[in-house]
Amino acid sequence: ILNVEQSPQSLHVQEGDSTNFTCSFPSSNFYALHWYRWETAKSPEALFVMTLNGDEKKKGRISATLNTKEGYSYLYIKGSQPEDSATYLCAPAYSGAGSYQLTFGKGTKLSVIP
Amino acid sequence: NAGVTQTPKFRVLKTGQSMTLLCAQDMNHEYMYWYRQDPGMGLRLIHYSVGEGTTAKGEVPDGYNVSRLKKQNFLLGLESAAPSQTSVYFCASKITSGISYEQYFGPGTRLTVT
Repeated sequence: ILNVEQSPQSLHVQEGDSTNFTCSFPSSNFYALHWYRWETAKSPEALFVMTLNGDEKKKGRISATLNTKEGYSYLYIKGSQPEDSATYLCAPAYSGAGSYQLTFGKGTKLSVIP
Repeated sequence: NAGVTQTPKFRVLKTGQSMTLLCAQDMNHEYMYWYRQDPGMGLRLIHYSVGEGTTAKGEVPDGYNVSRLKKQNFLLGLESAAPSQTSVYFCASKITSGISYEQYFGPGTRLTVT
């Protein structure tokens, strides 16, 4: 079982603040990292898929970076809005055995206070 | 397109009863997955399928069986439900092989076993 760590577990920020959180994962045989956004009472939706070391993806005010050598990714939200409140999941994928699967972290729950 | 749908949305079972959860997708996806989501545990993979007629075990397969008789449907069965199987169950699908493709999730089934 892979050890995928997300920190912090939860955080509260004021509307307009920028924030970031971390996903760390084993780097051996790494292939891709997925970020998902999961709003309460809904189902997870894909944000980014990243594969290359140094990759940076952006979607509106949300961006992510990837370091495959040391096994971590950062998710940044600039100028947080109440609609950004959700749990953000990361899930690395690996080549070889188990390559069909994603292993999800426990998520970071973000609450944006108006 | 309806995407990924799950039936039922809610169910209460007594210990020892059996039931089948149905996942259907209309996107012609090859890969389908069943996860369970428990507080503090994140999403854990139960079983998955890489094509019609094939299934494989995930991280937490005990107590569950699955079948993929048709490409669009993936069934999750509980033969003799236990309170430990109280959880929210999510189905997901993915278009094909290729680790960088995202998974699409259904709305979830909330199951309570008393």
